[in-house]
Amino acid sequence: SYVLTQSPSVSVAPGETARIACGGNNIESKSVHWYQQRPGQAPVLVVQDDSDRPSGIPDRFSGSNSGNTATLTISRVEVGDEADYYCQVWDSSDSYVFGSGTKVTVL
Amino acid sequence: EVQLVESGGGLVQPGGLLRLSCAASGFLVNSDYMNWVRQAPGKGLEWVSIIYADGSTYYADSVKGRFTVSRDNSNNTLSLQMNSLRAEDTAVYYCARAYCPGDSCPFVSWGQGTLVTVSS
Repeated sequence: SYVLTQSPSVSVAPGETARIACGGNNIESKSVHWYQQRPGQAPVLVVQDDSDRPSGIPDRFSGSNSGNTATLTISRVEVGDEADYYCQVWDSSDSYVFGSGTKVTVL
Repeated sequence: EVQLVESGGGLVQPGGLLRLSCAASGFLVNSDYMNWVRQAPGKGLEWVSIIYADGSTYYADSVKGRFTVSRDNSNNTLSLQMNSLRAEDTAVYYCARAYCPGDSCPFVSWGQGTLVTVSS
């Protein structure tokens, strides 16, 4: 089955830029979705189809997908962005796959 | 407004069974792709199952043959029947609505989750 690899953690100062990578074999051929999960809460979709933002998501959140890596970028990071972030794709075997998640800590 | 509310979680012994429900409002469960996703304590998200609008179903290998997803169109609810439960099934279970404007189907709505604990 398809595997998505994420770094366990990223630390960033307020106002700076956080980049969260999601690695997968030829991931650029897939549509990647990103979810934010704050502690004790359900996940929330923040980027869909590689780079589209759902309604209500700040434009500080953006995404890209090239080669074997998809990236979620959070610009002008705020304390409220501290959360776990997961990438997701649809696998050809009729199943969804999530990455292992990246914890973003705002210093 | 779209809302998903899970129920049915609790403590069950290994080998036991449990049925989860997800009450939907603001849309029809038979018109979208409905999913179950779980999260073990302190761990990441794991996709569990999907039921398509046409009624076809698919499962993660870890639950195949033990879990069954279904829906009740009259009550607009999604269910997950879990049999032969194991300690490793302990998790918060979320129902999630996938919306497919094109070829891909992101999970646009999630419930608050219900905790299943499998322990003797």
